[in-house]
Amino acid sequence: NAGVTQTPKFQVLKTGQSMTLQCAQDMNHNSMYWYRQDPGMGLRLIYYSASEGTTDKGEVPNGYNVSRLNKREFSLRLESAAPSQTSVYFCASWEGGGLVGYTEAFFGQGTRLTVV
Amino acid sequence: GDSVTQMEGPVTLSEEAFLTINCTYTATGYPSLFWYVQYPGEGLQLLLKATKADDKGSNKGFEATYRKETTSFHLEKGSVQVSDSAVYFCALSDQGRDDKIIFGKGTRLHILP
Repeated sequence: NAGVTQTPKFQVLKTGQSMTLQCAQDMNHNSMYWYRQDPGMGLRLIYYSASEGTTDKGEVPNGYNVSRLNKREFSLRLESAAPSQTSVYFCASWEGGGLVGYTEAFFGQGTRLTVV
Repeated sequence: GDSVTQMEGPVTLSEEAFLTINCTYTATGYPSLFWYVQYPGEGLQLLLKATKADDKGSNKGFEATYRKETTSFHLEKGSVQVSDSAVYFCALSDQGRDDKIIFGKGTRLHILP
């Protein structure tokens, strides 16, 4: 039971380079999320997907794009990396939705990204 | 919009001390409330939850009660251990309105032996 798997775990990029962070969950959850964690800022929501085929902006979406490839996978893309995007990125999933009782959110181990 | 405010850290306590980490929230609907814990180098994991007013969540000796009248969900533990050293996040989700989970900024807890 892998839960939520993120790749890569570590990445160093040069300013202006692009990359995609991958996330996959094996719990058949509808909702998936991308957060960034910065010192003193807690977790801030970048984008989320309440169901396959839908995506919505969170608190800090600028500079990012997402793709909900299927129910399992939700990727985060940085088209032109900037030093301000140096952070730890977490993917999460849970069985959300108004008609379904809440279950806990499961988090990946995180991707530590440094942009130089 | 919805938001969560929790006490600033770090909090440093001696082993066996009593712990309280304050958390208050703002929400327009009827949110579910959570405490998540993050150990060094790991992702977050659910510690406890409460889904309606006056519910008490508990796990591993930690407790928190959903207080609608004071919009609070304070985390308590009667006797902390060194192994409790971690970052604690209060969070809410109004799943009747959308599926977002909103987190507080986190409180780092250090327990001294």
